[in-house]
Amino acid sequence: EAGVAQSPRYKIIEKRQSVAFWCNPISGHATLYWYQQILGQGPKLLIQFQNNGVVDDSQLPKDRFSAERLKGVDSTLKIQPAKLEDSAVYLCASSSNNRISGNTIYFGEGSWLTVV
Amino acid sequence: AQSVAQPEDQVNVAEGNPLTVKCTYSVSGNPYLFWYVQYPNRGLQFLLKYITGDNLVKGSYGFEAEFNKSQTSFHLKKPSALVSDSALYFCAVRALIPSGAGSYQLTFGKGTKLSVIP
Repeated sequence: EAGVAQSPRYKIIEKRQSVAFWCNPISGHATLYWYQQILGQGPKLLIQFQNNGVVDDSQLPKDRFSAERLKGVDSTLKIQPAKLEDSAVYLCASSSNNRISGNTIYFGEGSWLTVV
Repeated sequence: AQSVAQPEDQVNVAEGNPLTVKCTYSVSGNPYLFWYVQYPNRGLQFLLKYITGDNLVKGSYGFEAEFNKSQTSFHLKKPSALVSDSALYFCAVRALIPSGAGSYQLTFGKGTKLSVIP
């Protein structure tokens, strides 16, 4: 089974520029997550989708971050304008609604953002 | 609110020796607990989870974890460490999201860097 796919893997941008990250979850997984992992810290949830609806975006800085999951499959996370403190790894993850296996969240390889 | 504590930023162990990476948690209700590993420049890989049942959970790469309800701990263990086990290890707890939509999310600890010395 294919894992969670993310692109691009690495991105360097100047502050105030914009960037977009793409994620394709594991086939059939209804729940999709975007996490932010700053160097030396654990991942922090930014936004969680159930199919194409948002179930939690309480920690998403909405003045500059946006995310969508059209058609309930792929998702895009955008940052505009970027700040230096946005330098981090952006991890996409997915999980199924299966009661047995649905407890496990699977992560992609991450998109590494450096803002200079 | 749920939380996870990993009290050690770094753990050093000699190759072949047993290793333990500590984790304590705080959550309402029955805990669902997870361990993930992160190798350099990689995403998080699922190692093992505790949902219910036997307190000793076995996972990938020879790792196991022991759930202790009275001590609210879920320590990761391996009987004999390998150099290739050197990585960042994250403990996580699952809990209902605050918005009350009935969905769950993972809250992670800050991670423990494991270094296995040849």
